[in-house]
Amino acid sequence: AQSVTQPDIHITVSEGASLELRCNYSYGATPYLFWYVQSPGQGLQLLLKYFSGDTLVQGIKGFEAEFKRSQSSFNLRKPSVHWSDAAEYFCAVGLMDSSYKLIFGSGTRLLVRP
Amino acid sequence: NAGVTQTPKFQVLKTGQSMTLQCAQDMNHEYMSWYRQDPGMGLRLIHYSVGAGITDQGEVPNGYNVSRSTTEDFPLRLLSAAPSQTSVYFCASRQTGVGNSPLHFGNGTRLTVT
Repeated sequence: AQSVTQPDIHITVSEGASLELRCNYSYGATPYLFWYVQSPGQGLQLLLKYFSGDTLVQGIKGFEAEFKRSQSSFNLRKPSVHWSDAAEYFCAVGLMDSSYKLIFGSGTRLLVRP
Repeated sequence: NAGVTQTPKFQVLKTGQSMTLQCAQDMNHEYMSWYRQDPGMGLRLIHYSVGAGITDQGEVPNGYNVSRSTTEDFPLRLLSAAPSQTSVYFCASRQTGVGNSPLHFGNGTRLTVT
């Protein structure tokens, strides 16, 4: 069965430090991959997406993610975190069938120390 | 551009009451879906639809009904609310025919069942 794992429930970083959020997936083929961000009390906003081509994709707000097929991973990175990045981050897999479903990980909550 | 609109934003129900969560989108998306979000569990798919007149179950469909009579609307019905249905509910839509089209989310409905 398809699944998405985000192994870190919480991550705390200092403002200005670099960030990496982990995401691993289980799927029989290379899926469509997405990262979303959710600020408190809000819906989810798309940060970036990947399907094919360059394995390093750029997104909004200075985020990037790298697809590694050998590790079934799609980790999210940012070189320098800002206090406004504090939020919950979700990785998702889009199934390559006619259902068009997205399967989400359980999320990682990012806390930013001043 | 309104995007995905959910109503109400908040709702309190007593056990056994029924209600309908409304969802409308103005992007002409064929695919619409309902998720519930619970702490530590990410987003779990309740029901989804790939077009008017077509609905299917997600991973947690019990206790919920849906219908899709128009492209724009996808209401979620709770026939007899239970405390286990206390959650935040998100409606989301996406374009079909394009595998990496992202999901567009509403701002959520926070439901409490007492």
